[in-house]
Amino acid sequence: AQKVTQAQTEISVVEKEDVTLDCVYETRDTTYYLFWYKQPPSGELVFLIRRNSFDEQNEISGRYSWNFQKSTSSFNFTITASQVVDSAVYFCALSGVSSNTGKLIFGQGTTLQVKP
Amino acid sequence: EPEVTQTPSHQVTQMGQEVILRCVPISNHLYFYWYRQILGQKVEFLVSFYNNEISEKSEIFDDQFSVERPDGSNFTLKIRSTKLEDSAMYFCASGTAPDTQYFGPGTRLTVL
Repeated sequence: AQKVTQAQTEISVVEKEDVTLDCVYETRDTTYYLFWYKQPPSGELVFLIRRNSFDEQNEISGRYSWNFQKSTSSFNFTITASQVVDSAVYFCALSGVSSNTGKLIFGQGTTLQVKP
Repeated sequence: EPEVTQTPSHQVTQMGQEVILRCVPISNHLYFYWYRQILGQKVEFLVSFYNNEISEKSEIFDDQFSVERPDGSNFTLKIRSTKLEDSAMYFCASGTAPDTQYFGPGTRLTVL
């Protein structure tokens, strides 16, 4: 079975603080993809990143960075110098190749509130 | 940039009524999906569609649900007899391959 766990339900920080959102996944697939999506208050799902299971290189995109560690089945997301506009629900998701359909399994989401 | 569109943005219906949620995927995409998100909860997979047939469906996707790609551009989700618990945001997604999905803005369905 595939599962994604985001243990942090809500996080509140003050602007300019760094914040890390945790994601732990379970899968029996050796090939899989991991994703992060942002859901702002307007409700749409905004794609942030996709990683495949063979690429453990950390990635940085502006203030965003991702730390993928297969040894701990984690794919954590860090926002550096957070801003009020970062306030949203963030979802981690998993897609295993065995299903061959691309079905995404989402975590419960972490609500990030960035206060001015 | 091409995007997935969904109509309507908000649908209100009475319990027991049929609803059809419409999606226009990105034109060269071959893989299509519906997901739902009950308010305050996580996004859940409903169904995937490829080559004019359902490729996978979840336990949620029971006989009350159906999908169709009637004309090569639209991708619809029909709920035959809505229940209160069908109230949710429904997201359509499409992709050129199973590992990449682009989401639409969602349709909020309210069942009264």
